[in-house]
Order: sequence, then structure tokens, then C-alpha cells
Amino acid sequence: DAGVIQSPRHEVTEMGQEVTLRCKPISGHDYLFWYRQTMMRGLELLIYFNNNVPIDDSGMPEDRFSAKMPNASFSTLKIQPSEPRDSAVYFCASTFGTPAGQGSDEQFFGPGTRLTVL
Amino acid sequence: GQSLEQPSEVTAVEGAIVQINCTYQTSGFYGLSWYQQHDGGAPTFLSYNALDGLEETGRFSSFLSRSDSYGYLLLQELQMKDSASYFCAVRGTNAGKSTFGDGTTLTVKP
Repeated sequence: DAGVIQSPRHEVTEMGQEVTLRCKPISGHDYLFWYRQTMMRGLELLIYFNNNVPIDDSGMPEDRFSAKMPNASFSTLKIQPSEPRDSAVYFCASTFGTPAGQGSDEQFFGPGTRLTVL
Repeated sequence: GQSLEQPSEVTAVEGAIVQINCTYQTSGFYGLSWYQQHDGGAPTFLSYNALDGLEETGRFSSFLSRSDSYGYLLLQELQMKDSASYFCAVRGTNAGKSTFGDGTTLTVKP
């Protein structure tokens, strides 16, 4: 398997524009996570899905952010309109869920999308 | 909710042993994970402790004490390539969701 795939790897856009980040999880994984990483705030969980259903979106900063997972092999994170403070590295990660307390709890991260909003 | 504390920076010399501590507060807890992240890279999984005690994987070991809400990552025979950030993460009882600490930047010097 190629691992978690994210596109684009780099995105530079202007304030007010719409940005769409894409993720293809590892085949067979039933959990998908979107994270944002900045120097100031560290690694933050934005939203996660289980079997394509959003489970917890409490980390989504505001209504400008939305995420979808139309099928098991694809997810998008959209920012509309984008603002300079959205500049960060956005990671997608996936894992195969195990009963609580069992398994390795290993999350597989994609290479990330470095977003710069001017 | 969940919160984790780990030192922001640690420096050690090649060949030495270093321990990175992590204390956590959580309302429900299943296990503690450790991830490594090199500059410009993505976090990669190192270890997971669901039970108290020591887990060893090569030069890296991880320890958990549930009664003390404490864990650590032990790196032995340090190499220059171990210079990276190390994150602890708590898997809470909201199954599937982990909270990450702010990370510890390890610098290995010759």
C-alpha cells in the first residue's frame, strides 16, 4: 500500500479564496482524522470519521471549515473563505479501529499539506 | 477533557540515553502512544502502552504507570538521526480519538 495520500503537498492562496485539501486513507482503515499543526498550537485534531461518518468535529475552528468523506477511500477538508491565520500544515491520518484497550492504536499519517494564505 | 505535559526541549549527546516524560490528565483513558516527527515530515508511530509497565522496541522503550498518570519514552544509544520532535498522545474513552501533547524537541549532539 502507498500509505495515506494527501494532495496538494503545498498550497499558496490569497485571503478570501476557497481551499480544498484531499486525502486518500489506507485501504481497509475505518477511521480517518484531520489534524492541523502550527508552532503556536501544536498538533490539533480537527475532525474524525468512522466508517465515513463524522464522529467528532469539535476541533473544527469555525464555520469556514468543513469536511466530508463521501466514501471509504476519499475525504476532503475545505476552507471557505480562507484567512492568513489558517496557514498551517494539515495532516490526514487513518487507522483500523480496535476495541478500546486492545491493539496498537497506531495512526498512519500522510505527508501533509502545507497551506499558506497570503 | 484531556491534557498532557511534556518538556519542550531535551538535549543529549550521541550514544547517551535520554528519557522524555509525559504526564496526563484525562477523564477516561485507554492507552498512551508515542510518535516521532522529523523536521518537515509527518508524525510516525513509535509505541503504545495500554497496560502498566515497559514496552521495548529496539533502542526505544516506553513505560506507563496508570496510577501516577505518567509515562515516558526512553531512547538508548542515541544517534544523530534521533534528533526530532517526540509527541505523547492519550487515547481517551471516546474511542478512536487521541489527544497529542505539545511535543518534545530532542537534539542529539556529536
